[in-house]
Amino acid sequence: DIQMTQSPSSLSASVGDRVTITCRASQSIGINLHWYQQKPGKAPKLLIYEASRLQTGVPSSFSGSGAGTDFTLTISSLQLEDFATYFCQQSDSAPQTFGHGTKVELK
Amino acid sequence: QLRLQESGPGLVRPSETLSLTCTVSGGSVRRSSYYWAWIRQAPVKGLEWIASMYYSGRTSYNAALKGRITISVDASKNQFSLNLTSLTAADTAVYYCVRGLASGSGLNWFDPWGQGSLVTVSS
Repeated sequence: DIQMTQSPSSLSASVGDRVTITCRASQSIGINLHWYQQKPGKAPKLLIYEASRLQTGVPSSFSGSGAGTDFTLTISSLQLEDFATYFCQQSDSAPQTFGHGTKVELK
Repeated sequence: QLRLQESGPGLVRPSETLSLTCTVSGGSVRRSSYYWAWIRQAPVKGLEWIASMYYSGRTSYNAALKGRITISVDASKNQFSLNLTSLTAADTAVYYCVRGLASGSGLNWFDPWGQGSLVTVSS
């Protein structure tokens, strides 16, 4: 199985900060990498698919980049509603696997 | 707007079988553009894809759980279901039903997700 490693596992930030989360795959996955946001007690919500394509309705403050093994999710200016846990997921080969998440907390 | 809603028991005894159903509203399970899947989330293990199914009948299962899983679709009720046998405490998790975009590989992102159903395996 492809292992997905996210870093950091958690971070503290303030409203207005620029935040970057990294996801690394154990082997090349092209651009078959997707990002989700999960708030406590809620289901994950798709933010970005195929590494950099913004899902409809997601604020443009979110962006994704990368290809191969290294990927980044960036929030350009953190808002109160962005404090949540973020997961990456690969769909290059079965089984589709997820990172363990990055929790973004209020400093 | 497509909505998914899981239903099933909250508590199941060890060695028994878990049966979960996902009711789809705002869209049809018959659409060949999509597939239907189950994902679970346990506190330590994190998010784990369990199984996927197309309306055509094509299925795929997580090998780690293979032999214990059955996934099926009931188009007349616009539902799909998961059966997981021989439960242990390790199967305790929140179970989500999700939709995936169809592709040649059968692999893709998941959107939307149901709200989730907490399943606890305990005697």
